[in-house]
Amino acid sequence: EAGVAQSPRYKIIEKRQSVAFWCNPISGHATLYWYQQILGQGPKLLIQFQNNGVVDDSQLPKDRFSAERLKGVDSTLKIQPAKLEDSAVYLCASSLRQGGSYNEQFFGPGTRLTVL
Amino acid sequence: GDSVTQMEGPVTLSEEAFLTINCTYTATGYPSLFWYVQYPGEGLQLLLKATKADDKGSNKGFEATYRKETTSFHLEKGSVQVSDSAVYFCALSSYNNNDMRFGAGTRLTVKP
Repeated sequence: EAGVAQSPRYKIIEKRQSVAFWCNPISGHATLYWYQQILGQGPKLLIQFQNNGVVDDSQLPKDRFSAERLKGVDSTLKIQPAKLEDSAVYLCASSLRQGGSYNEQFFGPGTRLTVL
Repeated sequence: GDSVTQMEGPVTLSEEAFLTINCTYTATGYPSLFWYVQYPGEGLQLLLKATKADDKGSNKGFEATYRKETTSFHLEKGSVQVSDSAVYFCALSSYNNNDMRFGAGTRLTVKP
């Protein structure tokens, strides 16, 4: 089966510019996650969707980050305006359901963002 | 809150050496525990998992046992290969959390 798809793979922008990332989860996966992975650290959850509803966005910097999952399939993550500290790899993951032993998440290859 | 602590790296080993990467966790409930691996330029891949105490997860020669008494989930492999060079992440997920909590990662380099 096809894995989680993300695009673009790499993006370089200047600070204060905007950027958007796209994710297509595994078919049939109801739960979608966006993670931020700063160099040398483990991934940190930004936002979680269950179908097209937001389950948890407590760690999303809402003054500059936004995300949507229209129709409960694809998702986009946007940063506007970008700051230097946003340089990171943005990972999208999906799972059949949330929580417990069924929370096996499948990750996409990530988008590496560099903010200059 | 729930969290994972794993040994700092980097770890450098010779081929066929024994590998241990320590991982301990803090959780209020009964979490599931995972090891993910990230090869250069790729996303995270699930390596193995254990969903309850005393379970042993295994895959590709790697093993980890869920130890509730010591709140640990150490990753081991008896004989590493150059192809095992990657970053390894310990993680947990519980019914109390919506998300996967990751450790900081341990970079393993295996030299021929």
